[in-house]
Amino acid sequence: DTGVSQDPRHKITKRGQNVTFRCDPISEHNRLYWYRQTLGQGPEFLTYFQNEAQLEKSRLLSDRFSAERPKGSFSTLEIQRTEQGDSAMYLCASSGGNTIYFGEGSWLTVV
Amino acid sequence: ILNVEQSPQSLHVQEGDSTNFTCSFPSSNFYALHWYRWETAKSPEALFVMTLNGDEKKKGRISATLNTKEGYSYLYIKGSQPEDSATYLCAGVNEGSGNTGKLIFGQGTTLQVKP
Repeated sequence: DTGVSQDPRHKITKRGQNVTFRCDPISEHNRLYWYRQTLGQGPEFLTYFQNEAQLEKSRLLSDRFSAERPKGSFSTLEIQRTEQGDSAMYLCASSGGNTIYFGEGSWLTVV
Repeated sequence: ILNVEQSPQSLHVQEGDSTNFTCSFPSSNFYALHWYRWETAKSPEALFVMTLNGDEKKKGRISATLNTKEGYSYLYIKGSQPEDSATYLCAGVNEGSGNTGKLIFGQGTTLQVKP
């Protein structure tokens, strides 16, 4: 069990560029989540996958955000035309039961 | 809508002190409550998942209680150590999200334990 892994851990990008984050969940976990955390706040839910199906999306997830989990294993979160307000930590989590396990997060800084 | 509040926002204690923090949530539509410990540069570590009113769970020097009727959970740390320094997050799951497990987090309580 290698835990939930995320890549890259840090990304600095210029406003207007596209960025993509990858999440590898714990193997055989069918549930996968993306959260976003900004300074001073708890993580906020973005989206949820059950296997390859995206079953819930937060209103926080604007049209510039898209998430996929094509084979029900790893997932990607893409942000198009990044804005400074997108600067945050993006956390991925997975679960096969009651406990939800988090990765270390991907820090995004938009300059 | 589930709104989760934590208090205090931050706490400084001396090594050896015992401490506790509070997580409040609406008692209606409650499904589950999760506690996490989050150390800097690490992933949030799952401490407890609690579902039943009156539940009490323990992990080493850390324990938690749950009161779903009045909408609160307490996290206790006995004999705090410097390695307990972290942000402690609670997260609620409401009844409508029982199948997804979607977590609604509080703002966290940051604990600093001085040697």
